Amino acid sequence: DAGVIQSPRHEVTEMGQEVTLRCKPISGHDYLFWYRQTMMRGLELLIYFNNNVPIDDSGMPEDRFSAKMPNASFSTLKIQPSEPRDSAVYFCASSSLQGGDQPQHFGDGTRLSIL
Amino acid sequence: SQKIEQNSEALNIQEGKTATLTCNYTNYSPAYLQWYRQDPGRGPVFLLLIRENEKEKRKERLKVTFDTTLKQSLFHITASQPADSATYLCAPENSGYSTLTFGKGTMLLVSP
Repeated sequence: DAGVIQSPRHEVTEMGQEVTLRCKPISGHDYLFWYRQTMMRGLELLIYFNNNVPIDDSGMPEDRFSAKMPNASFSTLKIQPSEPRDSAVYFCASSSLQGGDQPQHFGDGTRLSIL
Repeated sequence: SQKIEQNSEALNIQEGKTATLTCNYTNYSPAYLQWYRQDPGRGPVFLLLIRENEKEKRKERLKVTFDTTLKQSLFHITASQPADSATYLCAPENSGYSTLTFGKGTMLLVSP
């Protein structure tokens, strides 16, 4: 079975540019999570969706960040305009949360560098 | 506010020994706690889940304990191997929200 697929794996862009990160969750999973990982702050939850609906976006750092899930098999995280402090590894994860205690399956992340 | 502490210093052990990693949390009461393994350049991979009414959980060479009084979980790898070298993350559930808060992880280095 295919796992969670993220693209691109690496992104280097200049400050002020728009960045779009993409995620394809595991088929049949109801929940999708976007995380950001840095050395300083560790792995932080940015936003999560249930059945394509955003449930909690309190972790989104600023209005420059937005996320969408137009259908069950695709989600995007957009940063516009990007800033150097947005440099991090961004992970997408999906799970089937019946009972609220199912494991999360992570993609291999997008390493984002903003110059 | 909720806080999760894992030893930030790397744990170096000899092959064949038991590795013990600690996760302490404060200011909340998770219904369950998960442990993940992360290799460089990869996403975290789920290892074990333990619920608040379970004292101990085992899977092959792995063992997790959960002490809700001490607010602590211990993660053990017995008969450790160099292939066990990785960063291990603990992730208690956010009480009532069905989401996880991840610790920063502890790096384990197993030398031959």
